[in-house]
Amino acid sequence: DAKTTQPTSMDCAEGRAANLPCNHSTISGNEYVYWYRQIHSQGPQYIIHGLKNNETNEMASLIITEDRKSSTLILPHATLRDTAVYYCIADSGGSNYKLTFGKGTLLTVNP
Amino acid sequence: GAVVSQHPSWVICKSGTSVKIECRSLDFQATTMFWYRQFPKQSLMLMATSNEGSKATYEQGVEKDKFLINHASLTLSTLTVTSAHPEDSSFYICSVQLAGGHEQYFGPGTRLTVT
Repeated sequence: DAKTTQPTSMDCAEGRAANLPCNHSTISGNEYVYWYRQIHSQGPQYIIHGLKNNETNEMASLIITEDRKSSTLILPHATLRDTAVYYCIADSGGSNYKLTFGKGTLLTVNP
Repeated sequence: GAVVSQHPSWVICKSGTSVKIECRSLDFQATTMFWYRQFPKQSLMLMATSNEGSKATYEQGVEKDKFLINHASLTLSTLTVTSAHPEDSSFYICSVQLAGGHEQYFGPGTRLTVT
């Protein structure tokens, strides 16, 4: 699995967009970029994933650079409930793939 | 997505005793479930992959005789921490993955404290 690098922490004002960067410069062609988040003392929650194209769902948008060496998770209108640790993971996916969690980014949404 | 439950949500046990943690997939038949462990202020670490009807696959460094995993049905996997020690105190989390899908769905976790 490719190694990912994320900032340790970020702050965002409530109602504003939160842009969380992730560097995965060694990602291989068949590896997806996955984003999960973990609210304190809860199990992680899947957010979104992508391979090459930008993706959007009801929770967030994922912007992947053309060279695929980095990506940005965008929460368009952050709320206090979005305060969590966000994990960016690069993996080839497939059935029963193993998630390797790094340290992630602690996003704090401030009122 | 899949709904995953765990029981108990927290447990306190004495050193030397065994504790069983259940992971249930409530609306989905899971041939494979994953067990993770998370120590305070650390990230999740995969312990083992639980396969229905067969032996679990343990990650390097995880003692299979200490952490017994049973996946007897498509909706239930259990993790038994045998002869628990205080250093086994941790947050244990299970997950399932939908067949053909990319997402893993996690349970709410079980906090184990060994005194």
